[in-house]
Amino acid sequence: GAGVSQTPSNKVTEKGKYVELRCDPISGHTALYWYRQSLGQGPEFLIYFQGTGAADDSGLPNDRFFAVRPEGSVSTLKIQRTERGDSAVYLCASSLGGKENEAFFGQGTRLTVV
Amino acid sequence: GESVGLHLPTLSVQEGDNSIINCAYSNSASDYFIWYKQESGKGPQFIIDIRSNMDKRQGQRVTVLLNKTVKHLSLQIAATQPGDSAVYFCADPREAGTALIFGKGTTLSVSS
Repeated sequence: GAGVSQTPSNKVTEKGKYVELRCDPISGHTALYWYRQSLGQGPEFLIYFQGTGAADDSGLPNDRFFAVRPEGSVSTLKIQRTERGDSAVYLCASSLGGKENEAFFGQGTRLTVV
Repeated sequence: GESVGLHLPTLSVQEGDNSIINCAYSNSASDYFIWYKQESGKGPQFIIDIRSNMDKRQGQRVTVLLNKTVKHLSLQIAATQPGDSAVYFCADPREAGTALIFGKGTTLSVSS
């Protein structure tokens, strides 16, 4: 597709379960970002990939959160032992890299932990 | 610490009015800023950017003003339309290629 694609669009899971959220970036974009957005707040940075490696994971809140991008394209955000406080919209963005290359965002995955 | 924020959480205007959305930042070393628009149920969308060697930049119906002295920038939308209703964020890239820091956003509501 032409844009950043995130699946699923909505995910409801029970507290304590494991979830995976997928991001398909724009073809050719080497930089990929994950953000988390709570209601009424701006997106909060989680992790940034340049190619296959996590160049900056300083935003991951704890060790229950992990993300991979094994082939430098699709990325998966993994959350273990989900908690109700993990409920949010998880946004993915991709760009050509560099500070002044526009980041394009997907529509997000709305995660609800019940 | 580093932060980017907006002065007002909400702004209501009539269709056809000009809108001004403000943003303050704290990092004096910031040299590049971006405004994003986020419609309900969608991800943020790039509107316009500005480098710190400029104090004004114009796009289509939008103008961004940067005042480095007081660390303030504003987004002006001319002849606001209902389709402009959204949440607007200013964002500051921390370093080359790394994360954008977003403020909390201003919700713009345009009534006909």
